[in-house]
Amino acid sequence: ETGVTQSPTHLIKTRGQQVTLRCSSQSGHNTVSWYQQALGQGPQFIFQYYREEENGRGNFPPRFSGLQFPNYSSELNVNALELDDSALYLCASSSTSGATYEQYFGPGTRLTVT
Amino acid sequence: AQSVAQPEDQVNVAEGNPLTVKCTYSVSGNPYLFWYVQYPNRGLQFLLKYITGDNLVKGSYGFEAEFNKSQTSFHLKKPSALVSDSALYFCAVRDVGSARQLTFGSGTQLTVLP
Repeated sequence: ETGVTQSPTHLIKTRGQQVTLRCSSQSGHNTVSWYQQALGQGPQFIFQYYREEENGRGNFPPRFSGLQFPNYSSELNVNALELDDSALYLCASSSTSGATYEQYFGPGTRLTVT
Repeated sequence: AQSVAQPEDQVNVAEGNPLTVKCTYSVSGNPYLFWYVQYPNRGLQFLLKYITGDNLVKGSYGFEAEFNKSQTSFHLKKPSALVSDSALYFCAVRDVGSARQLTFGSGTQLTVLP
């Protein structure tokens, strides 16, 4: 069973630029959620994708957008980067079938905005 | 709205002693509760969950947690701490009636002293 993978591991961008982060969900999982974890804080929910559509969104502006593909992998796009966007971005996958409720997280992408 | 409180930023315990990491929650309906652990520069690793049934749930690496509905608490416990248990622990909640987003606490840094 393949776990959740994310790419890239680290990324440095300049304020105002755009960034795309990628996530491959765990085998058999059809739902992907994205979280932002600022230094010293707990993860904050950005949004969730199910059947290629956004299925819930946290308190993040529209410049945070995403996609889910037919193979359930996902992208997180952030436009007009701000210094406060510097954080660890976590992807989590889960399944809507069966009696599983937990989300399984990838290792994260560390984004630094300068 | 759902929320989680972890009242202790830091917990220190001697190796071999029992440990407790506290968590209280607030949801409008019935909760799904989770504990995750995070090692430095890593993603979150699932430890255990409470969905329904027995109030004492057992998870990975000898950890367990007790669900207390009247006190809205879900404290993480382990009878005998190991140095390797030193890590950042997060409690999370999901309202049964909501989308599958998780709301996390701010985290508790556990240090097990040799």
